[in-house]
Amino acid sequence: GQQVMQIPQYQHVQEGEDFTTYCNSSTTLSNIQWYKQRPGGHPVFLIQLVKSGEVKKQKRLTFQFGEAKKNSSLHITATQTTDVGTYFCAVGSNYKLTFGKGTLLTVNP
Amino acid sequence: GAGVSQSPRYKVTKRGQDVALRCDPISGHVSLYWYRQALGQGPEFLTYFNYEAQQDKSGLPNDRFSAERPEGSISTLTIQRTEQRDSAMYRCASSRTGSSTDTQYFGPGTRLTVL
Repeated sequence: GQQVMQIPQYQHVQEGEDFTTYCNSSTTLSNIQWYKQRPGGHPVFLIQLVKSGEVKKQKRLTFQFGEAKKNSSLHITATQTTDVGTYFCAVGSNYKLTFGKGTLLTVNP
Repeated sequence: GAGVSQSPRYKVTKRGQDVALRCDPISGHVSLYWYRQALGQGPEFLTYFNYEAQQDKSGLPNDRFSAERPEGSISTLTIQRTEQRDSAMYRCASSRTGSSTDTQYFGPGTRLTVL
């Protein structure tokens, strides 16, 4: 199956700072999905990207899919304490999702 | 409506015992998935059902693991002769269809601890 590398593994920021996590693959991806998992919670779907160069925004979150469809990023502007959690990228292939290892974001108030 | 539910939420068992984990998907969802998530890792695919048919069990670690969904709704993941390495969070997800672009909705998981 398709593999994705996610960096960084951890990110600690001060509230109000920006945050970015990256997802990279050596092969062309058909789609990329992003999930957020709060501490003690379960993965919750955020967004899906399918088109080359696609950019989608959800309030302070900006999601991008690379032109070559081999990488993706999630950027959070002006982090808040409610943004704390692990952000996973995942590739949907046929029916299964292959997840990256996630980026754990902690925010210092 | 109600989301995906799983039971029990926590299971502690002794090595060698069998356990059965239950998943109740969102009503009407055709596809059901089982994942295993180790601490600090992303969910790892175990098996997938389309209605009652098990379409893919390639992620099941070995033959001690099995799953069923006899009526195309509730599913049970069974682990026989549990071992300590089986300790993990077991997550169920469902989707309206089996398309790779369809959103998967995850349940709260069952935390399995094998002593």
